[in-house]
Amino acid sequence: KQEVTQIPAALSVPEGENLVLNCSFTDSAIYNLQWFRQDPGKGLTSLLLIQSSQREQTSGRLNASLDKSSGRSTLYIAASQPGDSATYLCAVKAGATNKLIFGTGTLLAVQP
Amino acid sequence: GAVVSQHPSRVICKSGTSVKIECRSLDFQATTMFWYRQFPKQSLMLMATSNEGSKATYEQGVEKDKFLINHASLTLSTLTVTSAHPEDSSFYICSAKEDYEQYFGPGTRLTVT
Repeated sequence: KQEVTQIPAALSVPEGENLVLNCSFTDSAIYNLQWFRQDPGKGLTSLLLIQSSQREQTSGRLNASLDKSSGRSTLYIAASQPGDSATYLCAVKAGATNKLIFGTGTLLAVQP
Repeated sequence: GAVVSQHPSRVICKSGTSVKIECRSLDFQATTMFWYRQFPKQSLMLMATSNEGSKATYEQGVEKDKFLINHASLTLSTLTVTSAHPEDSSFYICSAKEDYEQYFGPGTRLTVT
């Protein structure tokens, strides 16, 4: 059974810092991996999607990497801003199904 | 990007009543939609996969008679929480699949008193 874990569970950084969020999964047979952002009481906003054949994806200040063999992904946020404060979720899609398995989330607070 | 809406965004109902939540894909057709449940400070738990024109597929431990799902068109899926109880209070999020990506709705906060 696929399990997705995110470390740390919570993170507080001063504005301007670069930071890394971690995601690990137990079954490397994934179709793709996706990072989402969730603001309090809101739905999910997709940030980056990495196909299983890809190693990384970049969008603005965000960079996500994928190492299938080790079952890990990282989300790098450069020059963090208070507006980046949210919960970040990673999710993997199993190869044979449409299901997304979500991680436990990292609550990020960027202090001005 | 593709847009998914949910209605209502927030609902309060009395114990024993039924509540219907709608999920719509606004600018694309979705043969597959998903319903998730999220408890406070927890991650999303997949409840069921909704397939247009056929019965939904429920995850283990989710009561299909409790959470009725109907996917009558390519742009609409509904989740009905029947005979709601306080323990059904939660944040319900739907998503719709287009190609290889899922797009999520804004969620519905259900409170059962």
